[in-house]
Amino acid sequence: QKEVEQDPGPLSVPEGAIVSLNCTYSNSAFQYFMWYRQYSRKGPELLMYTYSSGNKEDGRFTAQVDKSSKYISLFIRDSQPSDSATYLCAMVNYGGSQGNLIFGKGTKLSVKP
Amino acid sequence: ETGVTQSPTHLIKTRGQQVTLRCSSQSGHNTVSWYQQALGQGPQFIFQYYREEENGRGNFPPRFSGLQFPNYSSELNVNALELDDSALYLCASSLAAGGDQAFFGQGTRLTVV
Repeated sequence: QKEVEQDPGPLSVPEGAIVSLNCTYSNSAFQYFMWYRQYSRKGPELLMYTYSSGNKEDGRFTAQVDKSSKYISLFIRDSQPSDSATYLCAMVNYGGSQGNLIFGKGTKLSVKP
Repeated sequence: ETGVTQSPTHLIKTRGQQVTLRCSSQSGHNTVSWYQQALGQGPQFIFQYYREEENGRGNFPPRFSGLQFPNYSSELNVNALELDDSALYLCASSLAAGGDQAFFGQGTRLTVV
């Protein structure tokens, strides 16, 4: 079992739809959770950064963490064609004083006008 | 746009050759991490440098090596290139070595033929 599982999609929605993206993980030591957006041929762009369980909202984006279920979600409201990209979930794996990101495979999202 | 810049943006090398990729971290960030992203996959952690010392390494062979300079810029060197080394190489900088937010550059796309 991979440490982080993410459905690769592709996911296609009409403009204005609510999008739900999800990841599950197996390591209960993960404490920091991130969502990155990656456009084709570009580097990942940090969208949301959360710590521990709960919700965090930023504009049209809401990140949700449920540590008891080892499940994180990203919701996009009023989706736009410009949201078409690959969305990567990531978690921080601590080893003493250093931490590195463990990524899901990414979900490719297409928002149709 | 993050303040993380990578060079070159594209590179084609022949199997068995050596390559050096470069990264300038965001101002004030003392930690640089390198990731390899194969097509259709999430980024995989190669190693991290904190204040010029290697501070963690993923499951990559010793022919992947790196350096961090006093200005916190960094290099990734890969010796004896193999076809499977073809990927997008990403550099991420962060304020600290732990779970702090990591900001990525645009990546270097390496093709090994």
